[in-house]
Amino acid sequence: GAVVSQHPSWVICKSGTSVKIECRSLDFQATTMFWYRQFPKQSLMLMATSNEGSKATYEQGVEKDKFLINHASLTLSTLTVTSAHPEDSSFYICSARDQASGVREQFFGPGTRLTVL
Amino acid sequence: QQQVKQSPQSLIVQKGGIPIINCAYENTAFDYFPWYQQFPGKGPALLIAIRPDVSEKKEGRFTISFNKSAKQFSLHIMDSQPGDSATYFCAASTYSGGSNYKLTFGKGTLLTVNP
Repeated sequence: GAVVSQHPSWVICKSGTSVKIECRSLDFQATTMFWYRQFPKQSLMLMATSNEGSKATYEQGVEKDKFLINHASLTLSTLTVTSAHPEDSSFYICSARDQASGVREQFFGPGTRLTVL
Repeated sequence: QQQVKQSPQSLIVQKGGIPIINCAYENTAFDYFPWYQQFPGKGPALLIAIRPDVSEKKEGRFTISFNKSAKQFSLHIMDSQPGDSATYFCAASTYSGGSNYKLTFGKGTLLTVNP
């Protein structure tokens, strides 16, 4: 149980284009999902917290207009990197929390490797 | 400002050894402390977690020791195996409003277990 998937697993795009990453909770309803970014050999940095049906809460320093987050259903959240640039190349990881179960654990997806040329 | 300090940055042990990874925190609002294991190119996977009212927790070969007064906690891996070679992250969780809890991660420890 508690499986989170991401799609795509890797993506290469040209500078200036937009890329959408999907995060799905496969066997539970995730009222809250989190998006992290991880640069090579570094830790996970929280970008934003999204709650189903409401606007995402972004961490300080994260550009809301560049990283659009939509949490339209209890099993799906999307992260769109708009007008991507090479410095946006990173490993993006989502996590989800099964709030109904009352547990604190966040279950992480397998990550999406974004390379912007 | 890093809120969870993790050490060492890297660690090499022989098979069967007991690597120990240490973390320290300052924010007393943290009330849940998970450890994650991450293999290259994969997302983190929860190993074990502890709450501050418990001083030790064991799950299989993994043990967390927690010292609330010192605001420190550590992960011990018993009988380590080459398959345990991965990056380990400690984390700390605090309430962030509504029904949300936010995780703050340490910088990670790259563990290598030699055969």
